[in-house]
Amino acid sequence: KAGVTQTPRYLIKTRGQQVTLSCSPISGHRSVSWYQQTPGQGLQFLFEYFSETQRNKGNFPGRFSGRQFSNSRSEMNVSTLELGDSALYLCASRKGGGYVNTEAFFGQGTRLTVV
Amino acid sequence: AQKITQTQPGMFVQEKEAVTLDCTYDTSDPSYGLFWYKQPSSGEMIFLIYQGSYDQQNATEGRYSLNFQKARKSANLVISASQLGDSAMYFCAMRAASSGGSYIPTFGRGTSLIVHP
Repeated sequence: KAGVTQTPRYLIKTRGQQVTLSCSPISGHRSVSWYQQTPGQGLQFLFEYFSETQRNKGNFPGRFSGRQFSNSRSEMNVSTLELGDSALYLCASRKGGGYVNTEAFFGQGTRLTVV
Repeated sequence: AQKITQTQPGMFVQEKEAVTLDCTYDTSDPSYGLFWYKQPSSGEMIFLIYQGSYDQQNATEGRYSLNFQKARKSANLVISASQLGDSAMYFCAMRAASSGGSYIPTFGRGTSLIVHP
């Protein structure tokens, strides 16, 4: 079956612009999480959605937001881009709503470059 | 605060030999899950193995096994019979409840494994 699909794969934006990233989870998966990966900070959790509701949120400013649709697809938005937002953004889906016992399946990521 | 520590930035191993990647964790939540992921240069994170805090036995998945020492808060990944395709970054991760009650997945900084022929 199809894995987690993230679009676009690569993106170049100018400082101050906004950007929307998309994630389609594995069919049947209802939980979608977003992560930011940078060389300096490593892999950091942004937020998690389950059945269209944000369930958990990491320590990121309000410029980072997300949503989940009824078909479980998710979007992440970053407004007023800063140079430091340049990163690989990874989306992961999980089948169940269990908090600790379900592995996540990741997409290939969207590499965002802010210039 | 929850934390995952991977003390080995880089590891080298000869093909067909076994290698252990270290991971220690810290959480006050008695119920937690520990995961290992592999990230090749392509960027995609690949799930390898899971260990629950209440599991009595160490998890195994093919050539991967997790050496779970709960009292030491240690969850080392053992790869047996290394293959060239095992060369990648390896991340240890944990899901547990934070003091505020939310579940924030926490990842270590990763270990870069290079398998030599």
